Amino acid sequence: DVKVTQSSRYLVKRTGEKVFLECVQDMDHENMFWYRQDPGLGLRLIYFSYDVKMKEKGDIPEGYSVSREKKERFSLILESASTNQTSMYLCASRLFSGNTIYFGEGSWLTVV
Amino acid sequence: SQKIEQNSEALNIQEGKTATLTCNYTNYSPAYLQWYRQDPGRGPVFLLLIRENEKEKRKERLKVTFDTTLKQSLFHITASQPADSATYLCALEKSQGGYNKLIFGAGTRLAVHP
Repeated sequence: DVKVTQSSRYLVKRTGEKVFLECVQDMDHENMFWYRQDPGLGLRLIYFSYDVKMKEKGDIPEGYSVSREKKERFSLILESASTNQTSMYLCASRLFSGNTIYFGEGSWLTVV
Repeated sequence: SQKIEQNSEALNIQEGKTATLTCNYTNYSPAYLQWYRQDPGRGPVFLLLIRENEKEKRKERLKVTFDTTLKQSLFHITASQPADSATYLCALEKSQGGYNKLIFGAGTRLAVHP
């Protein structure tokens, strides 16, 4: 079975802190994604990566950056956390376009 | 602007009936459309994928239709069970340069009552 593992399930951070959310997949997938999910807004794409060291902005990249140094790992970075970044963050991966996307269990981030 | 619309109101149905969920989109020409199930506090789980040249896809009690003229997909669950209660998300895959990105609707919550 494909496994997408998000390192932290629940985090509480202070405004201005740098936050790292880590995601690892074990199926040699080319593409990886970071979404955030908020009530009534659905999943919104922050960044995606279609290959190692490659990244593309999604629909809401402001305030976020990403890193993909190895194929299996895709990190989301909040350089200076703000309260409006309180949300559930979902990492996902897939082999390539047109294939099933596999999601992690989500990371609940609260910024106080 | 590009939009994916799913009914934001919950769908309540009786066990045994067929549930039908709608996904409408505007200003997209998707290559693929996918449906996912999401339970509270969990990540979405893939259910079905349908390509733009396919009209219908089935998997056990699930059926998806894709009408590129109407810009609509319908998702049916036949003989529904309380265990089918969840939020169902549709997602469109569209090309961007040499790669595709997946855009999700906000989801429709389904409640199946015994």
